[in-house]
Amino acid sequence: GQQVMQIPQYQHVQEGEDFTTYCNSSTTLSNIQWYKQRPGGHPVFLIQLVKSGEVKKQKRLTFQFGEAKKNSSLHITATQTTDVGTYFCAEFLNDYKLSFGAGTTVTVRA
Amino acid sequence: EPEVTQTPSHQVTQMGQEVILRCVPISNHLYFYWYRQILGQKVEFLVSFYNNEISEKSEIFDDQFSVERPDGSNFTLKIRSTKLEDSAMYFCASSVGNNYGYTFGSGTRLTVV
Repeated sequence: GQQVMQIPQYQHVQEGEDFTTYCNSSTTLSNIQWYKQRPGGHPVFLIQLVKSGEVKKQKRLTFQFGEAKKNSSLHITATQTTDVGTYFCAEFLNDYKLSFGAGTTVTVRA
Repeated sequence: EPEVTQTPSHQVTQMGQEVILRCVPISNHLYFYWYRQILGQKVEFLVSFYNNEISEKSEIFDDQFSVERPDGSNFTLKIRSTKLEDSAMYFCASSVGNNYGYTFGSGTRLTVV
């Protein structure tokens, strides 16, 4: 089945700076979900995007779904130490199988 | 906020032994899942469960694995004869419906020695 690719694999960010992580697919996605996993923690659902070109915001996090529904991005502004963790995008391969990307691991320099 | 509860948090077992990992999903959720994560790697799908039967399973989920919902609240993953490569963090998750966000438990760290 299709598999989403996440780039970059690692993101080292200076506190206060912005960054973007990307999730790309070779095929059209029905929807895309984003999760955050803190170090030593479990994945926590952040958001689901369904519509072409959809943009959703959660405080300093902005999620976007591409017009062709083949890519998605997560942009974080004014990075804080609490943003540390791995961000996964995930796609539904069918109604019962949510497949995770490899994740972008974010570290923050204070 | 409702939680998915997993027990035990850590399990050490000898190779070849059987283990049962336990989960209590959120009470009004209808779909249940097991995932595993080998240290530092991606979150891998194992199995989904709906309406008291397996709805999807991965190639990892071979005959050594089984799932059960024995009493309407617990959801268990059994590994019949553990191998060293089964060492991983196992996450249970549940969702209110398909194509909804999943709520994950805190995981069981399984170490096979």
